[in-house]
Amino acid sequence: DADVTQTPRNRITKTGKRIMLECSQTKGHDRMYWYRQDPGLGLRLIYYSFDVKDINKGEISDGYSVSRQAQAKFSLSLESAIPNQTALYFCATSDRLTNQPQHFGDGTRLSIL
Amino acid sequence: LAKTTQPISMDSYEGQEVNITCSHNNIATNDYITWYQQFPSQGPRFIIQGYKTKVTNEVASLFIPADRKSSTLSLPRVSLSDTAVYYCLVGGGHQAGTALIFGKGTTLSVSS
Repeated sequence: DADVTQTPRNRITKTGKRIMLECSQTKGHDRMYWYRQDPGLGLRLIYYSFDVKDINKGEISDGYSVSRQAQAKFSLSLESAIPNQTALYFCATSDRLTNQPQHFGDGTRLSIL
Repeated sequence: LAKTTQPISMDSYEGQEVNITCSHNNIATNDYITWYQQFPSQGPRFIIQGYKTKVTNEVASLFIPADRKSSTLSLPRVSLSDTAVYYCLVGGGHQAGTALIFGKGTTLSVSS
């Protein structure tokens, strides 16, 4: 089983819809991250959480929100999806000894029409 | 947040040693340097991490000069399966309050 599981793996939806991407991990790590990847732009940090009570904005948090329901779960929501949020989304985790992501999920490919 | 600069792309042949250098002139005292590998349609995979001097594991070596303003990932005897994008990431350890931003990475193409 994967250490970091993202669901769904693929999603196609329409502009204006609310979407939730889910991430769960079995690493026992305190720290979790959401990144977005666009062609030619590398990975950009959306939100990160260093523990259940800690939520921080990354460099591109506008239009997104997150929820850290438990140590093992970190969800990303698009409140009202727009086409330029079409991208590949990655969840990652790390232990408390580092704030550099160590384990990534396989990504969610999101298309907004 | 430390900014990193890497070559956009590199080409190599099977069996050669590949060195990818990353510049990080504004690295902070408590920053670590981490390298990742990413294949298409997969999440990045942690390769190696270091703070100073040299670190070696089963897949790569990481060379960090004394001033820590750059680092070099060394892949010995690459194979076709090493074709991927490689990211250098610089940031603090557990004391830091901020997470990290990836650069655009280096696309390594290995040919036979």
